[in-house]
Amino acid sequence: ELKVEQNPLFLSMQEGKNYTIYCNYSTTSDRLYWYRQDPGKSLESLFVLLSNGAVKQEGRLMASLDTKARLSTLHITAAVHDLSATYFCAVVILEGAQKLVFGQGTRLTINP
Amino acid sequence: NAGVTQTPKFQVLKTGQSMTLQCAQDMNHNSMYWYRQDPGMGLRLIYYSASEGTTDKGEVPNGYNVSRLNKREFSLRLESAAPSQTSVYFCASRVTGGHEAFFGQGTRLTVV
Repeated sequence: ELKVEQNPLFLSMQEGKNYTIYCNYSTTSDRLYWYRQDPGKSLESLFVLLSNGAVKQEGRLMASLDTKARLSTLHITAAVHDLSATYFCAVVILEGAQKLVFGQGTRLTINP
Repeated sequence: NAGVTQTPKFQVLKTGQSMTLQCAQDMNHNSMYWYRQDPGMGLRLIYYSASEGTTDKGEVPNGYNVSRLNKREFSLRLESAAPSQTSVYFCASRVTGGHEAFFGQGTRLTVV
């Protein structure tokens, strides 16, 4: 059974600092996605990682994928308050019915 | 483009009542999903469908039924609502393969 685990679940940090969110998954997959959710809102796609070694960057966020370690990271550089949100990773099993499973989410709070 | 549309946005039910949550997408996507989101639990997969006429159970299917009558629509039915089904429900769709999922705005359901 596919399990997706994020670490940490809660993160409070100061503006200007760097930090990394980790996403581990339990079965073979080379399709990993990162989403952002603001309070009371739906999920917004951030990154699509489709192969081992894939790296994507958008502004102060950078995501990477290591399929051999079954690990993805979301790195935040010089955090700003606007990045406060809950971040989810998700993994899909491509065989059969395309099951898409999410991690528990990481609630990120960035303080001035 | 409407994307993924969920109805209703809010609903209050009494214990034992039934209702159907509707989801429709206009992006010609093959795969569709229903999730529930509870505080601290992330998104948990209820049911999913890889194509018209096919459905599969996710992590938490008990108490729910689904119907994928055509490519556009994927409905979720609660036959006899229970307070434990109080949650925010999200529908999502994606192209089969490596593409990310797109989410509806969610349905906030309260069972009293």
